[in-house]
Amino acid sequence: DTEVTQTPKHLVMGMTNKKSLKCEQHMGHRAMYWYKQKAKKPPELMFVYSYEKLSINESVPSRFSPECPNSSLLNLHLHALQPEDSALYLCASSLRGDTGELFFGEGSRLTVL
Amino acid sequence: QKEVEQNSGPLSVPEGAIASLNCTYSDRGSQSFFWYRQYSGKSPELIMSIYSNGDKEDGRFTAQLNKASQYVSLLIRDSQPSDSATYLCAVRSGGYQKVTFGTGTKLQVIP
Repeated sequence: DTEVTQTPKHLVMGMTNKKSLKCEQHMGHRAMYWYKQKAKKPPELMFVYSYEKLSINESVPSRFSPECPNSSLLNLHLHALQPEDSALYLCASSLRGDTGELFFGEGSRLTVL
Repeated sequence: QKEVEQNSGPLSVPEGAIASLNCTYSDRGSQSFFWYRQYSGKSPELIMSIYSNGDKEDGRFTAQLNKASQYVSLLIRDSQPSDSATYLCAVRSGGYQKVTFGTGTKLQVIP
């Protein structure tokens, strides 16, 4: 069983919808991440939450907004998305924010119509 | 120049052979290097970390790092069909939380 749990596994939404992706880690890690991965491309970092501080990749559009209710949860709110935002969204965690040893959830596959 | 470069493949090897996967990186200040395996439609899985020059072995996997040449490689001995996947090289550099992935090399192990 994965220790980073993402829900939902699949999401289809229209461009006017508001939805959320949820991620929970059960490993006591201090950092959590959202990555976006398009087909045949590497994961691209969107957000990092580490030691109660949120860091944002400045290229990520504002229609994506992260929320960290506590150190085990990292949600991604979606609003007014575009079809090109269709991708696999990966949540990951790490023991500390200064390590590249990432543990990924199974991903949420998003389709925007 | 891309920050982390890999040959996209596919790299085809017969079952039982050694698969050699290569990666170069551009930032000389890079400190940590990782190999992730990603099966089709699945999420990446960490298989090796290496932090200092030389070789690091874990079972059938050996990671090699040469910081002077800015080169990191992964050797898979006794390749199995179950090793068929895309292998992503990742490098941590340039700041506190920045991990950059290469585009990955697709490995096909032929039975």
